[in-house]
Amino acid sequence: GQQLNQSPQSMFIQEGEDVSMNCTSSSIFNTWLWYKQDPGEGPVLLIALYKAGELTSNGRLTAQFGITRKDSFLNISASIPSDVGIYFCAGQLTNNNDMRFGAGTRLTVKP
Amino acid sequence: KAGVTQTPRYLIKTRGQQVTLSCSPISGHRSVSWYQQTPGQGLQFLFEYFSETQRNKGNFPGRFSGRQFSNSRSEMNVSTLELGDSALYLCASSAGGVGTQYFGPGTRLTVL
Repeated sequence: GQQLNQSPQSMFIQEGEDVSMNCTSSSIFNTWLWYKQDPGEGPVLLIALYKAGELTSNGRLTAQFGITRKDSFLNISASIPSDVGIYFCAGQLTNNNDMRFGAGTRLTVKP
Repeated sequence: KAGVTQTPRYLIKTRGQQVTLSCSPISGHRSVSWYQQTPGQGLQFLFEYFSETQRNKGNFPGRFSGRQFSNSRSEMNVSTLELGDSALYLCASSAGGVGTQYFGPGTRLTVL
């Protein structure tokens, strides 16, 4: 099925730095979602994007739905140690509740 | 509102056995989707149930099946377990139609 290309695969940053990750696809998606997953737990929804071009913030997190509906990015500003985890992008295909996931970005924050 | 709950959280089975996992969606949510997560393959979609009917299906063998009850609770069954079925199985619920999905904590299945 359609897969999402998520990059980077991993990031090692210093506390206080900003982070940026993105997802691209050859398919058009109806909705883009960003999740964070801690070890042994299910993904927790961070931000949901429903319209092309939409820019949404949730605290220190900002995400945008690309104009072509084939890409999205997530920014984290002023990172803190609890930001550590794996971040997944997910796209919902048009008129279909089937979600496709990126491979994840593993974020490590050094205090 | 209570979140998505999954039981059991951990399960150990042997090859050839079968297993049933349970998922209770957020109250009012009618859609339940199941995913398999492994280090090698990432998150892969198994199937989705809406109003007791399977609405979407991923690319998994027939050993993987599911059902949904009238109260929207869902079960997933895997028959004739293989070593490669060891994974974190996640369910996610959404209000219905096409909607944002909220995940449960998962069931960690280990097949020996």
